[in-house]
Amino acid sequence: DAGITQSPRHKVTETGTPVTLRCHQTENHRYMYWYRQDPGHGLRLIHYSYGVKDTDKGEVSDGYSVSRSKTEDFLLTLESATSSQTSVYFCAISESQGASEQYFGPGTRLTVT
Amino acid sequence: AQSVTQLDSQVPVFEEAPVELRCNYSSSVSVYLFWYVQYPNQGLQLLLKYLSGSTLVESINGFEAEFNKSQTSFHLRKPSVHISDTAEYFCAVGGKLIFGQGTELSVKP
Repeated sequence: DAGITQSPRHKVTETGTPVTLRCHQTENHRYMYWYRQDPGHGLRLIHYSYGVKDTDKGEVSDGYSVSRSKTEDFLLTLESATSSQTSVYFCAISESQGASEQYFGPGTRLTVT
Repeated sequence: AQSVTQLDSQVPVFEEAPVELRCNYSSSVSVYLFWYVQYPNQGLQLLLKYLSGSTLVESINGFEAEFNKSQTSFHLRKPSVHISDTAEYFCAVGGKLIFGQGTELSVKP
């Protein structure tokens, strides 16, 4: 299995609080992604990174920010959590885009009350 | 823009029956197509992919998918399913992956 970990695995937080989710990889892959998974929507891309300090927005980026200061770590921050951000968040990595397979982490279940 | 439509949200079948999970895509560029599987409480795993060449691609556990350019489809099939195939299946079109909504395959004894 690809070495991808996510922390925390479960989190309950209150509306308006900041939340940071961490993705850590040991594969030295260039690309890292954050998705959210919601019933009826499949997976939707939030942000992705194509190198250290190089990031770009995905389909549902509003309310989220990311940072990548090291190859192995990709952080997703909700500056002020809202109930609509209750979801399961997945991190993924790949060597390149296009034809490369993406490898997924185990997911973080976030509940915003 | 690329998009993916999975035509069935849920597919219940009996064990040892054949199954087809339908996927249609739209893309104005060269197409890379993927099927991922998600078992309960786990992340996604690649099942199979089409990049180029033969339009029929197979996985190690008996699934196959056929790329049909004229119908813009990439349907997933298995001739005889097992209880262990119960999972959610996602079709995706790449570069930055665009996923379909998912199909829950439920295999009953």
